[in-house]
Amino acid sequence: GAVVSQHPSWVICKSGTSVKIECRSLDFQATTMFWYRQFPKQSLMLMATSNEGSKATYEQGVEKDKFLINHASLTLSTLTVTSAHPEDSSFYICSARAGGAWGYTFGSGTRLTVV
Amino acid sequence: QQQVKQSPQSLIVQKGGISIINCAYENTAFDYFPWYQQFPGKGPALLIAIRPDVSEKKEGRFTISFNKSAKQFSLHIMDSQPGDSATYFCAASTGRRALTFGSGTRLQVQP
Repeated sequence: GAVVSQHPSWVICKSGTSVKIECRSLDFQATTMFWYRQFPKQSLMLMATSNEGSKATYEQGVEKDKFLINHASLTLSTLTVTSAHPEDSSFYICSARAGGAWGYTFGSGTRLTVV
Repeated sequence: QQQVKQSPQSLIVQKGGISIINCAYENTAFDYFPWYQQFPGKGPALLIAIRPDVSEKKEGRFTISFNKSAKQFSLHIMDSQPGDSATYFCAASTGRRALTFGSGTRLQVQP
């Protein structure tokens, strides 16, 4: 149980275009989802906390107009990187708290490359 | 975010040996301390977790030791195997808030 599905696994886009990443909780309802960014050989840095039916809470330094987060249902949160630039290239990972013994479950991540 | 300090940055262990990774925290409100394993290009996978009312937890070859007074916790991997070669992250959280991650330890188990 407690599976989080993240798509796509990797995406290449041209500079200036937008990319959407989906994160779904498959067997539980996630009222809260978290989005992280991870640069090579570095740790996971929290970008934002996504709450179902309300606006996301962004960490300091994260541009909310560039990284649009939507959490329209209890099983789906999306991250849209708008007007992507090469410096946005990174590994993006979502997470949801399933509760109980499962704690926080992570998606498999999305490798974004902006060319 | 409150910091969680992790050491060492990298670790090389012989097959069958014990791998030990340490973490320290400052925020006494943290009430959940998990360890995650991450392979290249994959998301982190939960290995084992502990709450502050327990000093030790063991699951298979993995053991968490927790020292509340020192605000430290560690991961011990017994009988380390080449398949354990990965990056390991400690983390901590309060309530239902997001996890705060340590900087990671790259473990290499040599055959």
